[in-house]
Amino acid sequence: DARVTQTPRHKVTEMGQEVTMRCQPILGHNTVFWYRQTMMQGLELLAYFRNRAPLDDSGMPKDRFSAEMPDATLATLKIQPSEPRDSAVYFCASGFGEGVNTEAFFGQGTRLTVV
Amino acid sequence: DQQVKQNSPSLSVQEGRISILNCDYTNSMFDYFLWYKKYPAEGPTFLISISSIKDKNEDGRFTVFLNKSAKHLSLHIVPSQPGDSAVYFCAASAVRGGADGLTFGKGTHLIIQP
Repeated sequence: DARVTQTPRHKVTEMGQEVTMRCQPILGHNTVFWYRQTMMQGLELLAYFRNRAPLDDSGMPKDRFSAEMPDATLATLKIQPSEPRDSAVYFCASGFGEGVNTEAFFGQGTRLTVV
Repeated sequence: DQQVKQNSPSLSVQEGRISILNCDYTNSMFDYFLWYKKYPAEGPTFLISISSIKDKNEDGRFTVFLNKSAKHLSLHIVPSQPGDSAVYFCAASAVRGGADGLTFGKGTHLIIQP
């Protein structure tokens, strides 16, 4: 069953706490994306990796957000410290591409609430 | 500044009729366009795509039309079915030095009425 798996599905945390979201991309995919969905902004690209190397993280607030790929089967998005404005649904997506347009397959998302 | 715009937040269509969802873009570097469908509490799922070298792509009940000169694309669903009720996102990408990513519109909530 090839799908992108995200954990946790839901997370409620207090302002100032560290939050880590995890993503297991589809086996064989070499590109991993992190998106954030809010009512105001819709779906925004935060960062993405190709062959585990970060290619673009310009959409991410650098002072508090960090994205890593410790290995080909795990991508993480960390927020430290978290703020109420970070409340959103965070989607991970994966795809296969080498300099061509990459069709992305999405996970079910992590709904983050920072109180 | 939204580079991909879906100006209709919602659309209501009667079952069996044609649904037409519209999308406009401003970045002339975009060369690949996709439509995603999203149900509540689920991630977006890929529906259909079109490259800028084409003006039409068809897959079953779904057809995407691209008008490059107008920077406009549309998704046609015919006939519309109750299961088509969802939020539809238009997305675009441009190849930049081998890197890639999708820019999404804010979505159109399609409601199919019996």
